[in-house]
Amino acid sequence: GIQVEQSPPDLILQEGANSTLRCNFSDSVNNLQWFHQNPWGQLINLFYIPSGTKQNGRLSATTVATERYSLLYISSSQTTDSGVYFCAVELNQGGKLIFGQGTELSVKP
Amino acid sequence: NAGVTQTPKFRILKIGQSMTLQCTQDMNHNYMYWYRQDPGMGLKLIYYSVGAGITDKGEVPNGYNVSRSTTEDFPLRLELAAPSQTSVYFCASSSFQGIYNSPLHFGNGTRLTVT
Repeated sequence: GIQVEQSPPDLILQEGANSTLRCNFSDSVNNLQWFHQNPWGQLINLFYIPSGTKQNGRLSATTVATERYSLLYISSSQTTDSGVYFCAVELNQGGKLIFGQGTELSVKP
Repeated sequence: NAGVTQTPKFRILKIGQSMTLQCTQDMNHNYMYWYRQDPGMGLKLIYYSVGAGITDKGEVPNGYNVSRSTTEDFPLRLELAAPSQTSVYFCASSSFQGIYNSPLHFGNGTRLTVT
């Protein structure tokens, strides 16, 4: 089956720093989404990004489907950015979203 | 809209017991999913459904069953609970729009412990 690999597995930042999270996938996909799981376990959709670049405030994401990777950029990080960031890919068959293992981010004040 | 609602929030089962995790959504989404998340791990797809009456296996379906008799509801059944099924279970839904699915909406999860 398809492999979805995220890097780094964990990351510690000082408040105000920038970071880049990466998601590699091993096969063609129909779509890609980024999620944030907060320390209380809630999963929130950040980006729905099959290709190209999107921005939402301090966060932006870029997907290069032809090269099978996506990047999530966090600028001027805040303590509320802490949690686990997941990417998930939708296989070409449709309907089946497969998650990576996540990047655990901790932002220190 | 309430979004995706899961019940119960917490449950403790003894080995061999059975239970049903409930999931309902009020967004008229045709796609629904069940995932499990083990401590410190990512989400693994158990089952999914692309519409009422249609279900399919995900990555880790063994020990579980599902049904989808209505658009709104997608219950997950554990028949003979085992300690390996201790996990947090998330239900999610999305809407198919042309070529792509819409963003995935998650419920708040059910924390299940099997002892």
